[in-house]
Amino acid sequence: GAGVSQSPRYKVTKRGQDVALRCDPISGHVSLYWYRQALGQGPEFLTYFNYEAQQDKSGLPNDRFSAERPEGSISTLTIQRTEQRDSAMYRCASSLSGQLANTEAFFGQGTRLTVV
Amino acid sequence: AQKVTQAQTEISVVEKEDVTLDCVYETRDTTYYLFWYKQPPSGELVFLIRRNSFDEQNEISGRYSWNFQKSTSSFNFTITASQVVDSAVYFCALRGYNQGGKLIFGQGTELSVKP
Repeated sequence: GAGVSQSPRYKVTKRGQDVALRCDPISGHVSLYWYRQALGQGPEFLTYFNYEAQQDKSGLPNDRFSAERPEGSISTLTIQRTEQRDSAMYRCASSLSGQLANTEAFFGQGTRLTVV
Repeated sequence: AQKVTQAQTEISVVEKEDVTLDCVYETRDTTYYLFWYKQPPSGELVFLIRRNSFDEQNEISGRYSWNFQKSTSSFNFTITASQVVDSAVYFCALRGYNQGGKLIFGQGTELSVKP
């Protein structure tokens, strides 16, 4: 696609429910990243993929968070048993290649998750 | 450890004023990359610029200019003759050479340009 597409744009869920956030990167981009942004803060790294391989998941806060990119394109970030502290903007980004450090990441519009 | 500090939380200016957004970074990498992103009220993150650590030339793009100084670990962003449309949150970010694309963001500076 022309840009990084995330869905849904907004998600309200009850505490304890599982949620799945979707990211469709720019066509041809090898690397895909997930970030979380709390209100009034900068984005914080969660995880990233090169193709279908998860290269770094050091930013995932706990084992309720997981991500996959099974075919090297669309990615899903899943949060199990959501808690109120999970409420944030979840941002996806893609770049030509994370291995090439002199490339920039392009971000989607984000998914605003609210856990009530 | 890598860190980005944007000490200015909020800045308010009147249209046509010049404004500088400060960014100070910390890294042990000898090769690294610095970025600025803009987050307008609509919420998306828009890429503005990338600079390599080995290129300290300042850059100008229209009303925007960037001053990179390795000696002070700073990468400041200046908007000349600000406009209302410049109102946004601006983020500075750092990526180490071997960090696989992982960005470390500052907390952001909210710029408000009043008519």
